[in-house]
Amino acid sequence: DAGVIQSPRHEVTEMGQEVTLRCKPISGHDYLFWYRQTMMRGLELLIYFNNNVPIDDSGMPEDRFSAKMPNASFSTLKIQPSEPRDSAVYFCASSSRTGQAFYGYTFGSGTRLTVV
Amino acid sequence: QKEVEQNSGPLSVPEGAIASLNCTYSDRGSQSFFWYRQYSGKSPELIMFIYSNGDKEDGRFTAQLNKASQYVSLLIRDSQPSDSATYLCAPIGGVGKLIFGQGTTLQVKP
Repeated sequence: DAGVIQSPRHEVTEMGQEVTLRCKPISGHDYLFWYRQTMMRGLELLIYFNNNVPIDDSGMPEDRFSAKMPNASFSTLKIQPSEPRDSAVYFCASSSRTGQAFYGYTFGSGTRLTVV
Repeated sequence: QKEVEQNSGPLSVPEGAIASLNCTYSDRGSQSFFWYRQYSGKSPELIMFIYSNGDKEDGRFTAQLNKASQYVSLLIRDSQPSDSATYLCAPIGGVGKLIFGQGTTLQVKP
């Protein structure tokens, strides 16, 4: 199993540009999570999907952020337009559920975003 | 009140000692509790999970859960310098949402 795959690993962009982060979850996992990590705020949940459907996007900071999951093997997080305060490490994680028990919660390697 | 509270540390212990990491949570509906370890510049790595009240042991790690007190802890016995990292507590609610505490930084000094 290749684990959760994120791309790119590093992204440097200018303020105002569109940024797209990508994630491939572990095959068979039906939950997908997007997190953002900064020194000040720690690891924040932005949005999560179950069976490709967004369940809770209350953590998305602004309308500049959007996320999609067109199929079970791919998700994107888009920031448009980007701002310097969006600079952070963005993680994707996936998990599965059997009955009331949740499994997995495996993280990808993250995308380090720098907006200048 | 934050959903998950941890002492940010750093917690410094000598090599070979027991490190005790604590976490409190506000959601009484939380059913499962995960502990993650995160090395600097790396992604979080799951090291322990616990579902029931009491203790769960895995090698040098012991997780302790007290749902009545909304308290979960992680003990690391015979601490090694390689255990130096940030430890994140994460309760899971019934809908599978994983919310993290700020994390406790552990430093194990040789």
